[in-house]
Amino acid sequence: AQTVTQSQPEMSVQEAETVTLSCTYDTSESDYYLFWYKQPPSRQMILVIRQEAYKQQNATENRFSVNFQKAAKSFSLKISDSQLGDAAMYFCAYRSTSGTYKYIFGTGTRLKVLA
Amino acid sequence: DGGITQSPKYLFRKEGQNVTLSCEQNLNHDAMYWYRQDPGQGLRLIYYSQIVNDFQKGDIAEGYSVSREKKESFPLTVTSAQKNPTAFYLCASSIAPGQGVGEQYFGPGTRLTVT
Repeated sequence: AQTVTQSQPEMSVQEAETVTLSCTYDTSESDYYLFWYKQPPSRQMILVIRQEAYKQQNATENRFSVNFQKAAKSFSLKISDSQLGDAAMYFCAYRSTSGTYKYIFGTGTRLKVLA
Repeated sequence: DGGITQSPKYLFRKEGQNVTLSCEQNLNHDAMYWYRQDPGQGLRLIYYSQIVNDFQKGDIAEGYSVSREKKESFPLTVTSAQKNPTAFYLCASSIAPGQGVGEQYFGPGTRLTVT
């Protein structure tokens, strides 16, 4: 069975600095999708970025980028020029491309942004 | 605007009463999901549905029931058999596997308090 691990329960970053959140996963599949979701204090889950495993190029969305290392089964999220609004829980998630409809979520990393 | 609605935002019930949480989507998604989130915790899957009139138990289905009579709707009933029902409940939807990347879209959530 697939698993997703976020080993950092909490991280802090100074405003305007860069921070990297870690995510590792375990799977025997070769094709899958990976996601980072943000959950601010409002508790609305927001998709930050997604990565298709067959694509070698790392996904980028404005200040958010990933470092996808398929062989190492690592999918870290880098937030550049951190803003106060980035403070939230961040969840890493995995989805198989096969028949299962399930998503596997990590336990989350709480990010604090210091002014 | 397409999206997922959950109502109500806050719900209070007395112990021993069943309560139904609403979830509606107009994204034309085949799959719908219910998650439970406890304070400071990740998401735990309660039930999911791949198509109308079909649903499967997730990791913590005991004490919950669902129905999927319409593609747009996936209500969750928290029964009196659920030992610790106070939690934040999130509904989500997605396209079916194989139809694309298929990130999950989430509703705003319902905070259920049972006393």
